[in-house]
Amino acid sequence: DAKTTQPTSMDCAEGRAANLPCNHSTISGNEYVYWYRQIHSQGPQYIIHGLKNNETNEMASLIITEDRKSSTLILPHATLRDTAVYYCIVRGRGTSYDKVIFGPGTSLSVIP
Amino acid sequence: NAGVMQNPRHLVRRRGQEARLRCSPMKGHSHVYWYRQLPEEGLKFMVYLQKENIIDESGMPKERFSAEFPKEGPSILRIQQVVRGDSAAYFCASAQGASNEKLFFGSGTQLSVL
Repeated sequence: DAKTTQPTSMDCAEGRAANLPCNHSTISGNEYVYWYRQIHSQGPQYIIHGLKNNETNEMASLIITEDRKSSTLILPHATLRDTAVYYCIVRGRGTSYDKVIFGPGTSLSVIP
Repeated sequence: NAGVMQNPRHLVRRRGQEARLRCSPMKGHSHVYWYRQLPEEGLKFMVYLQKENIIDESGMPKERFSAEFPKEGPSILRIQQVVRGDSAAYFCASAQGASNEKLFFGSGTQLSVL
């Protein structure tokens, strides 16, 4: 089973910031938070990941709470092309194998 | 720098035939994951392979499904005696390492069983 919970769906107005929450209350100290998205019928696409500090790249920002039990993915200026299913995943680090499990994700609809 | 290549993009098979799905990982990646996505459902993990080894096949159906990742060539997901319920999108992903590595996904193979 996935180690995260996310809202089933969200709407966001075009041009506004989209804030997608993720709960990972059982995260352990060696687990990172990863975000992927899947645009309809395409392969999932990596967005961003982090451990405990906030992260930003050209696609998005990731805010992780101090206790690491939840995080928020921020798309600063959502466009219609950001309509997709967004998956939040926690995953261990190191040399040992850790299965990558996708939950149902959040279906984000960006509205004109 | 080519990404993960999957072929064919679309595959049509009749019930009872065999389906072979290929996945060429990104250059330098020796770890491959296969996922299945049924219509209107999420991604379900099937199998994780490293070169010449199956590491985790806990998501593979016990019958008719097999996977390999030979020393040379692409990873192959093989489905024998396909049934209509096998109709789905099959995605593979590659990674450079075993954990804490981002996955790069291919465009998928859409399998349709008539």
